[in-house]
Amino acid sequence: NAGVTQTPKFQVLKTGQSMTLQCAQDMNHEYMSWYRQDPGMGLRLIHYSVGAGITDQGEVPNGYNVSRSTTEDFPLRLLSAAPSQTSVYFCASSYSSPGVTGIGEQFFGPGTRLTVL
Amino acid sequence: DAKTTQPNSMESNEEEPVHLPCNHSTISGTDYIHWYRQLPSQGPEYVIHGLTSNVNNRMASLAIAEDRKSSTLILHRATLRDAAVYYCILRARGGSNYKLTFGKGTLLTVNP
Repeated sequence: NAGVTQTPKFQVLKTGQSMTLQCAQDMNHEYMSWYRQDPGMGLRLIHYSVGAGITDQGEVPNGYNVSRSTTEDFPLRLLSAAPSQTSVYFCASSYSSPGVTGIGEQFFGPGTRLTVL
Repeated sequence: DAKTTQPNSMESNEEEPVHLPCNHSTISGTDYIHWYRQLPSQGPEYVIHGLTSNVNNRMASLAIAEDRKSSTLILHRATLRDAAVYYCILRARGGSNYKLTFGKGTLLTVNP
């Protein structure tokens, strides 16, 4: 298994540009999520999905869109990039929601380092 | 959400045990205690989790206080590869609480 993969690894955008960060997992996980990590801070949840066709907002959803058309893929779209979105973005997935079974080990991708000028 | 409190940093010597503390005095009866770690320039990595009883796995042990208001992650023999930020996280069971709420964690330095 490749686990959780993210592309690109690095990206530089200009203010106002849009782009999509890709995330894929090959573990047939139901739950997927996006986090951002800023210097000196922990990870903050942007959006999450509990299954294909179902998404919901996390702590910091503004400026980002997501969709989940397949179990494997969970892309994150930046609609109009702003310097405040400069961050490292992590995608994660887990087999089941921890709320149901208490298992919920999350697997994280290697991250995408985004700079918005 | 119930919060956790961890020391900002800790230091250890290679091949010695490390005890990483976490306080969670407002934990509810349905909260699981999870630990993740993040090595430099990598995504977080699951370490261990528990509810009430102490837990062991190949990476670490988790000791949970009887009143569940604190817990300790134990690395039995620290290696240089264990240098990372360690996060103690509470996850509610049931309902729609799927998210991991990360704090700033504890930066563990391992000296050779």
